[in-house]
Order: sequence, then C-alpha cells, then structure tokens
Amino acid sequence: GIQVEQSPPDLILQEGANSTLRCNFSDSVNNLQWFHQNPWGQLINLFYIPSGTKQNGRLSATTVATERYSLLYISSSQTTDSGVYFCASSFGNEKLTFGTGTRLTIIP
Amino acid sequence: DSGVTQTPKHLITATGQRVTLRCSPRSGDLSVYWYQQSLDQGLQFLIHYYNGEERAKGNILERFSAQQFPDLHSELNLSSLELGDSALYFCASSVSWREGPDTQYFGPGTRLTVL
Repeated sequence: GIQVEQSPPDLILQEGANSTLRCNFSDSVNNLQWFHQNPWGQLINLFYIPSGTKQNGRLSATTVATERYSLLYISSSQTTDSGVYFCASSFGNEKLTFGTGTRLTIIP
Repeated sequence: DSGVTQTPKHLITATGQRVTLRCSPRSGDLSVYWYQQSLDQGLQFLIHYYNGEERAKGNILERFSAQQFPDLHSELNLSSLELGDSALYFCASSVSWREGPDTQYFGPGTRLTVL
C-alpha cells in the first residue's frame, strides 16, 4: 500500500515565523489531504490537494504529483497554529493512509 | 464544524466490556469511514461503508464490527475490550467514492478509555 512520510517530526518556532512542512508519498495518488489536529484532538481539514497549489489565508499547499510530494506553508505563525499536522493520501480504494505527522509548537 | 457528528465524546469502560460508537455523516454524504488513532499505531483506517454496504476493510480486529443504516448513520461496535483498544476513534464522511476521490470530512472523535 501507499507509504506516507512527513518531515520534520517536530518543529518549534517563534510567533510570526514562517514554516514549511513536507509530505512524501510512495506511489501515485489521486487524493491528498492536509489536516491540523488541535490540542483537543479535533482533525481539521486544511486542504484537499491531489495536485497544484491552493491558498487559504496564511496557509498554502502545493502538491507535485509527478514527484510524489506535497508541501504545506504556514506564514506569520500564531500560537493557535500549534498542534500536529497530518497529510494523508489514497489511490483507488479511497481509504486514507496517514503520515506520522509534524508536531508544531509556536512560542509567543 | 465539519458537519459530521459523533457520540459519545468520551467513553470510559472496563476490559471485557462492549461499547457502541455512533456517527452521523454530513447531509448528503453516502460514504462513512472509521479510523482509529492510538499512540503506538498512529491514525489507521478501519472500515468504509457506502450507502449501507461495506466497501473496504483495513486493520479492523475481529472483535470490532460496524454497520451503516438506511438513514446513513453508522455504528462501530467494539467487544471484549482490551487495554490496547484505548484510542481516539474518528468517523469521516464523503459524498461518494463512485465518481472518484473526494474530500473526507472528519468528526470530532470518540475518546475511548479501557481500564
């Protein structure tokens, strides 16, 4: 099945800094999603982005399907951005395979 | 708010017991997925239902079962519970899988603690 790897595993930044989170996947995918898991455990949809680039406020994402990676950019970080960021992908049978996540801590 | 609801939010029970987790998908969504998030296994797919029929199974134990009802809500039944079943259980829904991949929207989860 698809393997999903995320880097870095942990990231500690000062408020206001920018960050780039990476997701590599092992095979062709036709679904890629980014999630933010907040400290209360909720999984928040950020992007559905099997290819191309999307932006939503301070967040943007790019997926290069031919090279099997996706990037999540967070600009001007705020403390509320803290949490774990997951990417997940699937092909064909629709079940999502999740990476192990990047734990982001924003220090005021 | 994703539009997916799950009850209960928290569940504390003892080993050997049986529990039922409930999920209501977003209005209009026909697909329901169940995922388990544990400390040692991460987020793992359990099972997928589409319009009442089972579509795919993942690493779901034989002690676990699920179903999707005619009104499209789904239940995940966990029996003979063990300490290792303690986890956060998520339900997700999407419009359909027939037309191709689609965004899955996740509910708030049910946190199960087995003592």
